[in-house]
Amino acid sequence: GDSVTQMEGPVTLSEEAFLTINCTYTATGYPSLFWYVQYPGEGLQLLLKATKADDKGSNKGFEATYRKETTSFHLEKGSVQVSDSAVYFCALMGDNNDMRFGAGTRLTVKP
Amino acid sequence: NAGVMQNPRHLVRRRGQEARLRCSPMKGHSHVYWYRQLPEEGLKFMVYLQKENIIDESGMPKERFSAEFPKEGPSILRIQQVVRGDSAAYFCASSPLQAARANVLTFGAGSRLTVL
Repeated sequence: GDSVTQMEGPVTLSEEAFLTINCTYTATGYPSLFWYVQYPGEGLQLLLKATKADDKGSNKGFEATYRKETTSFHLEKGSVQVSDSAVYFCALMGDNNDMRFGAGTRLTVKP
Repeated sequence: NAGVMQNPRHLVRRRGQEARLRCSPMKGHSHVYWYRQLPEEGLKFMVYLQKENIIDESGMPKERFSAEFPKEGPSILRIQQVVRGDSAAYFCASSPLQAARANVLTFGAGSRLTVL
């Protein structure tokens, strides 16, 4: 079945460092891809999404490009802030409307 | 427009008791998803429901767990005879019917179950 594999972490960076969190997927058909973020004690919030190949999702300085040839949707940010500390989840929604999440990557940004 | 409402936010049960977790989707949303998040782990899909219909329950344990989404009222995740390993955060999410493949799931704040 459809699945998502992401870099597990944890990841610790200094403020203003460059962030990459890798995500690859396995799916039949043409899935939509998402990144969600979970702040401590809260539910998940959508960060960005892409619904077809070569689409780039972006929000709050984060970006991810839907790469069909490498089945990837890596999350990047050029300069992280302490407030970006959270758990990041890569997710896929396939043709059957099931949403599947990766294991999550905990990011800690130190001042 | 209220978001996805889950209750209770925190639930404590003793081993062998029953736990019922409720989820009211966003207004206009007819799809509900339940996920379980164990401490320091990722989100595990449990079940996907529409009104009065289970679409996919491939992530549900075969015993003690059940879910429903009746025509009226919230979706219920029921865990019978709870064990310590059931202690987790249970998240509900909803989405609208149309344009499903591009849909964003809207999550509730979660229900944290502790089994003593």
